[in-house]
Amino acid sequence: GQNIDQPTEMTATEGAIVQINCTYQTSGFNGLFWYQQHAGEAPTFLSYNVLDGLEEKGRFSSFLSRSKGYSYLLLKELQMKDSASYLCAVRDSNYQLIWGAGTKLIIKP
Amino acid sequence: GAVVSQHPSRVICKSGTSVKIECRSLDFQATTMFWYRQFPKQSLMLMATSNEGSKATYEQGVEKDKFLINHASLTLSTLTVTSAHPEDSSFYICSAIGPGGKGSDEQYFGPGTRLTVT
Repeated sequence: GQNIDQPTEMTATEGAIVQINCTYQTSGFNGLFWYQQHAGEAPTFLSYNVLDGLEEKGRFSSFLSRSKGYSYLLLKELQMKDSASYLCAVRDSNYQLIWGAGTKLIIKP
Repeated sequence: GAVVSQHPSRVICKSGTSVKIECRSLDFQATTMFWYRQFPKQSLMLMATSNEGSKATYEQGVEKDKFLINHASLTLSTLTVTSAHPEDSSFYICSAIGPGGKGSDEQYFGPGTRLTVT
């Protein structure tokens, strides 16, 4: 079966750095996505990785290792507004997105 | 660019009635749209894939006669929840593959519709 694993919840301090991990087992691979979702809102796109390595976008970076079926989202200089759920999703061989359950990130002052 | 809208944003209906939710791609043509459902504190669950001009493809366990999907044009897909029951109360989200088609690097999400069935 297809499976995406990520931690259920993480807590970090304002101004610090946090890494959210995602491991996956899917039928085929056509890219990995990270989305941010605030409570009661639709997801918003953060990053896309299809090749191994690190993609950096401002305070957010995403890393992919296809051989290990592993990705992480790195958030730097955390702000209170970063409190949200972070969803990892993998696009399989049928171009269908397989979603992780999301990681709820709690930022403390 | 690549904006997706949904209407209505919130709806309350009585048990047994039907509710229609619209999903529009505002500035691009979307041959494929997706409908998701999300219960509180749970991840997105794909309900169906909507293809313009053809029948929707439903995920296992999703009743196609209860959740009617119509993708009549390249910019509009509708989801009708028929004979709604309280257990259908949920957050319904649509998305569309971006202007680049399948090679695009993201899906664009609508803002979601919160359905409450009383």
